[in-house]
Amino acid sequence: EAGVAQSPRYKIIEKRQSVAFWCNPISGHATLYWYQQILGQGPKLLIQFQNNGVVDDSQLPKDRFSAERLKGVDSTLKIQPAKLEDSAVYLCASSLHQGYTEAFFGQGTRLTVV
Amino acid sequence: DQQVKQNSPSLSVQEGRISILNCDYTNSMFDYFLWYKKYPAEGPTFLISISSIKDKNEDGRFTVFLNKSAKHLSLHIVPSQPGDSAVYFCAAGGSQGNLIFGKGTKLSVKP
Repeated sequence: EAGVAQSPRYKIIEKRQSVAFWCNPISGHATLYWYQQILGQGPKLLIQFQNNGVVDDSQLPKDRFSAERLKGVDSTLKIQPAKLEDSAVYLCASSLHQGYTEAFFGQGTRLTVV
Repeated sequence: DQQVKQNSPSLSVQEGRISILNCDYTNSMFDYFLWYKKYPAEGPTFLISISSIKDKNEDGRFTVFLNKSAKHLSLHIVPSQPGDSAVYFCAAGGSQGNLIFGKGTKLSVKP
């Protein structure tokens, strides 16, 4: 079974530029998550989708971050414009359903904003 | 305010001995708990979980204990192996599915 695929693996941009990350979840997984992990911290949820609907985006900085999950499969996360404090690893995860089940993570995208 | 706390940033254990990683939570609404292992440059990998209706769950060398009254869980690894060296994250959640993670504990198992 293929795991969660993310691209790119690494990205370096200047502040105020825009960037986009892509995620392909495990086939059949209805729930998709985007997490942000800052160095030395645990992953922090940015947004959760159930199929193509948003379940929780309470911690997403909506003035600069946006995410979509078209057709309930792939998802993209965009940052525009980027700030220095956005430097982090962005992790995509998926689970079979919502609640009481493990989430499977991709390898992440390491973003450096200079 | 951290809802999931892992108060030990690091732990060093001799190969063959027991590793005990601890986690505390504050939100009594959490009723599902997980442990993830993370190697450098990789995403977290699911290790073991426990629901609040149980107080223990075992999977091979890994056992998770849950003390609901103390809002505390622990992961025991017996016997510890050098390949277990990684960062371990405790996570808590419930019906909605979103997981709240601790800051992690770096485990080093020395040969």
